[in-house]
Amino acid sequence: LAKTTQPISMDSYEGQEVNITCSHNNIATNDYITWYQQFPSQGPRFIIQGYKTKVTNEVASLFIPADRKSSTLSLPRVSLSDTAVYYCLVAYNTDKLIFGTGTRLQVFP
Amino acid sequence: AAGVIQSPRHLIKEKRETATLKCYPIPRHDTVYWYQQGPGQDPQFLISFYEKMQSDKGSIPDRFSAQQFSDYHSELNMSSLELGDSALYFCASSLGDEQYFGPGTRLTVT
Repeated sequence: LAKTTQPISMDSYEGQEVNITCSHNNIATNDYITWYQQFPSQGPRFIIQGYKTKVTNEVASLFIPADRKSSTLSLPRVSLSDTAVYYCLVAYNTDKLIFGTGTRLQVFP
Repeated sequence: AAGVIQSPRHLIKEKRETATLKCYPIPRHDTVYWYQQGPGQDPQFLISFYEKMQSDKGSIPDRFSAQQFSDYHSELNMSSLELGDSALYFCASSLGDEQYFGPGTRLTVT
């Protein structure tokens, strides 16, 4: 049973910042929050992982409020190649990832 | 950098036949996971192995079995194939929390 809720789809234009929010009201104390990106017919690709506050890497930022009941993946200046499905997952460990429905991001020129 | 390798990439089988999918994890990764993703669906966890022992089991049908060998590669064996088994089968490997996914094997059952 998925532990997350995400918007089904989002649209954006090239060069814009995209923020995808995930709700995880039942997150457990030890759960981490992980985001994956998946292109059609390809395996999910790890984007970023965090536990609290803010995490940033070379491709994205992850914002997690103090109550940890939600998180926001921020993609700066998206391009057409960022069109994909983005999955938010919460798990104590990632022994078995339980994917939710994901957010289908469509980037327009 | 080396990635997870899966073979074959495409496989077509008839109903009631058997299929074997192979997964070669990233070198030094000790854990392998199998996922099934039906058309338009989310990946579903099937089974995982850690150090050649089954570590967790998800929604894997009894017709399927899997194992991890001494060289850490894994095979997913599928018998009595059904039309509903048509899907993308992903293997992932990890050395810790982050899972790296392979390109998948597309199985079509006719």
